[in-house]
Amino acid sequence: KAGVTQTPRYLIKTRGQQVTLSCSPISGHRSVSWYQQTPGQGLQFLFEYFSETQRNKGNFPGRFSGRQFSNSRSEMNVSTLELGDSALYLCASSLEYRGTEAFFGQGTRLTVV
Amino acid sequence: GIQVEQSPPDLILQEGANSTLRCNFSDSVNNLQWFHQNPWGQLINLFYIPSGTKQNGRLSATTVATERYSLLYISSSQTTDSGVYFCAVVESYIPTFGRGTSLIVHP
Repeated sequence: KAGVTQTPRYLIKTRGQQVTLSCSPISGHRSVSWYQQTPGQGLQFLFEYFSETQRNKGNFPGRFSGRQFSNSRSEMNVSTLELGDSALYLCASSLEYRGTEAFFGQGTRLTVV
Repeated sequence: GIQVEQSPPDLILQEGANSTLRCNFSDSVNNLQWFHQNPWGQLINLFYIPSGTKQNGRLSATTVATERYSLLYISSSQTTDSGVYFCAVVESYIPTFGRGTSLIVHP
């Protein structure tokens, strides 16, 4: 069974631009969560989607947004990129959204220049 | 919010040695997972262990939810065990990760 797939794997953007990252969950999983990992802040929860609705949200500014489609695939968008948004963005899928076991993709490494 | 503390932050071992990694958390949790982050950044599931004890080969984990801690045991360590180990807890459906234990296993 295929794992969680994130695209693209690497991305370089300029300050002020916007970016969209994609995540395809494990087949049958309906919850998708997004995380940001930086050396300074560690791994931080961004938000979680289930049945096309955002269920939980971490402490990030409104520039970070997401959505989930009817096939459970999810996208994350960051607008008006800042240098500090450079990070590894990880996506995880779970069967349900109530804190069940999460399985992670390989991540998208975003560099903002 | 909940606090998650992992210890030790860094660990250097010779191949074949055993080790114990600890995860303390400040409140009751819905679940707890241990992950190993490989050099390419992917988080590999080790254990989903809200309570009790589990074993998988050379690795085992114990969570004592009432005392708010979890332990990850690595026996007969190998160079491929090198990497960062994270514990993550979920409280009120919000996941929180510890800062990790960075493990280096020398041949």
